[in-house]
Amino acid sequence: KAGVTQTPRYLIKTRGQQVTLSCSPISGHRSVSWYQQTPGQGLQFLFEYFSETQRNKGNFPGRFSGRQFSNSRSEMNVSTLELGDSALYLCASSSGLAGGTDTQYFGPGTRLTVL
Amino acid sequence: AQSVTQLDSQVPVFEEAPVELRCNYSSSVSVYLFWYVQYPNQGLQLLLKYLSGSTLVKGINGFEAEFNKSQTSFHLRKPSVHISDTAEYFCAVTRVHGSSNTGKLIFGQGTTLQVKP
Repeated sequence: KAGVTQTPRYLIKTRGQQVTLSCSPISGHRSVSWYQQTPGQGLQFLFEYFSETQRNKGNFPGRFSGRQFSNSRSEMNVSTLELGDSALYLCASSSGLAGGTDTQYFGPGTRLTVL
Repeated sequence: AQSVTQLDSQVPVFEEAPVELRCNYSSSVSVYLFWYVQYPNQGLQLLLKYLSGSTLVKGINGFEAEFNKSQTSFHLRKPSVHISDTAEYFCAVTRVHGSSNTGKLIFGQGTTLQVKP
């Protein structure tokens, strides 16, 4: 099985711009979670989508949004970028059906740099 | 709410020596526990997880962890490390109850394991 893929792998943007990141889950997986990883804050949960619905949300401002398509692919969008949004954005996929027991498989991440 | 504390930010160790990476968690409800590893410029890979049953969990690459409910700990161990084990290790928890918490992992700050020749 192919793993979780994320595109692009690297992005450079300037403050005030917006950005869209893409995640393709493992075939058959219906849940996609997004995380932000920074040296200062570590790994923080952004949100989770399951069957095109946001099922869980972390404590991030409304500038961070996401969606999931019928093929389970997911995108996350960050509007009005700030310097502090520079981070590695990781997505993870799982079956989403096992109430927390199923393994989340992570993609390689998208490294976003905001100048 | 849940929280995870990894007690050491860096652990240097010589090759073939044993290692323990410490993890404590706080939660008012039951949790599942996980250890993930992150190699440079890569995503996270699951090492092992504790769901229920035996408190000693064996994972990939020779790692094991022991769940201690009374001490709310889930320490990771390996009897003999290799250079290739150099990486960052993350302890994580998720609530047991219901599908509403699926997909949400709470991570510790990570421990960098540096294996020296």
